[in-house]
Amino acid sequence: AQKITQTQPGMFVQEKEAVTLDCTYDTSDPSYGLFWYKQPSSGEMIFLIYQGSYDQQNATEGRYSLNFQKARKSANLVISASQLGDSAMYFCAIEDNNDMRFGAGTRLTVKP
Amino acid sequence: EPEVTQTPSHQVTQMGQEVILRCVPISNHLYFYWYRQILGQKVEFLVSFYNNEISEKSEIFDDQFSVERPDGSNFTLKIRSTKLEDSAMYFCAVKGGFGSGTQLSVL
Repeated sequence: AQKITQTQPGMFVQEKEAVTLDCTYDTSDPSYGLFWYKQPSSGEMIFLIYQGSYDQQNATEGRYSLNFQKARKSANLVISASQLGDSAMYFCAIEDNNDMRFGAGTRLTVKP
Repeated sequence: EPEVTQTPSHQVTQMGQEVILRCVPISNHLYFYWYRQILGQKVEFLVSFYNNEISEKSEIFDDQFSVERPDGSNFTLKIRSTKLEDSAMYFCAVKGGFGSGTQLSVL
């Protein structure tokens, strides 16, 4: 079974608008962590935000926030006030049972 | 500041040769991960390493691959007898941080 699913292969957003990138996951481990990474065209993986399964509040890091809905097993990334530099691949990942698996990614394009 | 550094940044090798990719954590970490990303494709989990032992490995991580922590700091991924399809970006990672990757090209 797929552990982590990103259903949006590509997304477009107008500059300065907000955008939500979807991520759902599946795990039987009660303790897990959820990550979002950004991969620009240069190839490096940039850590954006982390949510622990026992965290009571949704994680936020600057313009990034994670909409964590535990019962629905979703961990959507919200990027507010999009910038042209946000254009990249975005990967959701889950860490549990001693491994960390990635979704297929969403390519975000910010339009001027 | 990256949590790990990786060397080399690029490696070109002939098919059938052995390669060793290196990862050095900046600070103390318990878990290490290796991932592979073929150009334009998803990030694939290879192996996790905890307390000097393999903790979990994927179906990709066959006998061709091995990991070691030879001196308590460096963390290596060895690929024996490389194949053309091993050409990819290889990332070392710790929780919350990725190395800059090694681009492996097998000719």
